[in-house]
Amino acid sequence: VQLVESGGGLVKPGGSLRLSCAASGFSFSDYYMSWIRQAPGKGLEWISYVGTNNNYRNYADSVKGRFTISRDNAKDSIFLEMNNLGDDDTAVYYCAGNPAVPIKWYFDFWGRGTLVTVSS
Amino acid sequence: IEMTQSPATLSVSPGESATLSCRASQSFSSKLAWYQQKPGQAPRLLIFGASTRATGTPARFSGSGSGTEFTLTISSLQSEDFAVYFCQQYDNWPVTFGGGTKVEIK
Repeated sequence: VQLVESGGGLVKPGGSLRLSCAASGFSFSDYYMSWIRQAPGKGLEWISYVGTNNNYRNYADSVKGRFTISRDNAKDSIFLEMNNLGDDDTAVYYCAGNPAVPIKWYFDFWGRGTLVTVSS
Repeated sequence: IEMTQSPATLSVSPGESATLSCRASQSFSSKLAWYQQKPGQAPRLLIFGASTRATGTPARFSGSGSGTEFTLTISSLQSEDFAVYFCQQYDNWPVTFGGGTKVEIK
């Protein structure tokens, strides 16, 4: 099982960034996928999930209206479009998967993360 | 639900046991998971359902608790067990994580 995030980097406040996560080694379409972040020196924060077929999406209040999650089952990948970024969005962003049937809301698989730094 | 882990850092000698605490701001049943994270690596699921070991989790890891108090015990610490441990509740949305406990070599 492997989850590999990419797309992180340095972005100015108010800017945008698109993260990707490529999955392999498991039945991707049987899993809900989430983005979870960790700000420097802080704990983990779940920020968004997408259902098995882009059918369900949910967002933390901290990112609602600014971030959009999506997935492409043909490419075993998920994405996170991040807009209007602020200093508080600086974090390592992890993608993680949890089983859909039956639904379980702990995370079986995680990637190593990609760092997003928002700074002028 | 806010999750608070203690202590922030635990210094333990190899072969000794370690007890990590996770406290919730409100009571729930057993929907609690524990993860291990080593530097530069992805977090790894250790325990779910408060006490059920995930596939591949060694028997020296045990979880217990319910309500607002949960515990992860690592008996006879091995060199590969020195890491950061996070708890996560999944009883209530949004799911939330504790701030982590770092288990370091004494």
